[in-house]
Amino acid sequence: ETGVTQTPRHLVMGMTNKKSLKCEQHLGHNAMYWYKQSAKKPLELMFVYSLEERVENNSVPSRFSPECPNSSHLFLHLHTLQPEDSALYLCASSQVRLAASYEQYFGPGTRLTVT
Amino acid sequence: GQQVMQIPQYQHVQEGEDFTTYCNSSTTLSNIQWYKQRPGGHPVFLIQLVKSGEVKKQKRLTFQFGEAKKNSSLHITATQTTDVGTYFCAGLGTDSWGKLQFGAGTQVVVTP
Repeated sequence: ETGVTQTPRHLVMGMTNKKSLKCEQHLGHNAMYWYKQSAKKPLELMFVYSLEERVENNSVPSRFSPECPNSSHLFLHLHTLQPEDSALYLCASSQVRLAASYEQYFGPGTRLTVT
Repeated sequence: GQQVMQIPQYQHVQEGEDFTTYCNSSTTLSNIQWYKQRPGGHPVFLIQLVKSGEVKKQKRLTFQFGEAKKNSSLHITATQTTDVGTYFCAGLGTDSWGKLQFGAGTQVVVTP
């Protein structure tokens, strides 16, 4: 159904662990996004990459580190997370141009639990 | 900064009834998009509105963009159980570059 895949789908990690989330889009889009979705909160935009350059960093703590090696792949590296970081992490992609935005296609998300 | 507010936060609807969810932006928008997220799923794009006063229909769903391009609404007629989910609006500011501001969503529960 979706041209955006995310792995893993579920992740449980301790506060001292290091893990990475992976996102891949097969739609030929030029922008990719990381969102955090917590219960009873709006979707929080974390990072935006356009043409492999980071164009947005919404004051996200440094324990979250994004990487975009090419236009099809996006990673979110995690280290020394806190329990309040437990959430659904969604990746999305879209085609963008200045002052216009086409629809975003979301991946299925990674359900992260920090213990 | 730009903020997008959605009301109501929750909507309990009897099957067959109509309801409307509203979206308001603190600033003028370049366009507005609507997404639906089923329980346990991810947001799925429904529609995009670009022009002032634009109205678009998708079967039982009617989407409107305000004349001032600062508000929008989604009206669903004859609600069905398949309409269950959370509906998000997302606005693109006139000076934004691909960055959508999502509202908090309206969670819809349908009672048979």
